[in-house]
Amino acid sequence: GAGVSQSPRYKVAKRGQDVALRCDPISGHVSLFWYQQALGQGPEFLTYFQNEAQLDKSGLPSDRFFAERPEGSVSTLKIQRTQQEDSAVYLCASSPGLAGGNEQFFGPGTRLTVL
Amino acid sequence: DAKTTQPPSMDCAEGRAANLPCNHSTISGNEYVYWYRQIHSQGPQYIIHGLKNNETNEMASLIITEDRKSSTLILPHATLRDTAVYYCIVRGGTSYGKLTFGQGTILTVHP
Repeated sequence: GAGVSQSPRYKVAKRGQDVALRCDPISGHVSLFWYQQALGQGPEFLTYFQNEAQLDKSGLPSDRFFAERPEGSVSTLKIQRTQQEDSAVYLCASSPGLAGGNEQFFGPGTRLTVL
Repeated sequence: DAKTTQPPSMDCAEGRAANLPCNHSTISGNEYVYWYRQIHSQGPQYIIHGLKNNETNEMASLIITEDRKSSTLILPHATLRDTAVYYCIVRGGTSYGKLTFGQGTILTVHP
């Protein structure tokens, strides 16, 4: 069965460009998470969706970051006017249920490099 | 969620047991201990979780002390493919489940 997929796997952007990162969760999974992982660090939470509702965006570092999941399946993380400090791996994870007891299934991540 | 403390790195010989410790002295009664690992260039992978009883699955065993202030992840027969960063995470059972990762332990399995 298919796991979580993310595209593109690698993205190089010039400073100031807008980027869009896509996440295809496991079919039927209700919960979807985005994390940011800087080089040599553990992943850090960005935002959480329950179906199409964005219930927590407390981890988004600035208003340049925007995420959506309009039909409760595929999600897009958009970063406007990229800066060098946005360079990181962006991980998407999905989970079948609503409560905290379910494991999260992670995608391979998108490595963003901002020049 | 409670904070966790792990050693930054550990080594293990192939075929031997790898025992990875984690301290979580401020854990609350309804918080679970989760372990994930991250192999180079991949997303994190769930290993095991527990509340207060010891747990075992096909990947590993989790031993939680009686006071729940620390735990140990055991990989019974480490292989080279177990080389990864291992994260111990404390997570509230009633929350929707966002994970708070620390620095983790880099486990290197040697031939």
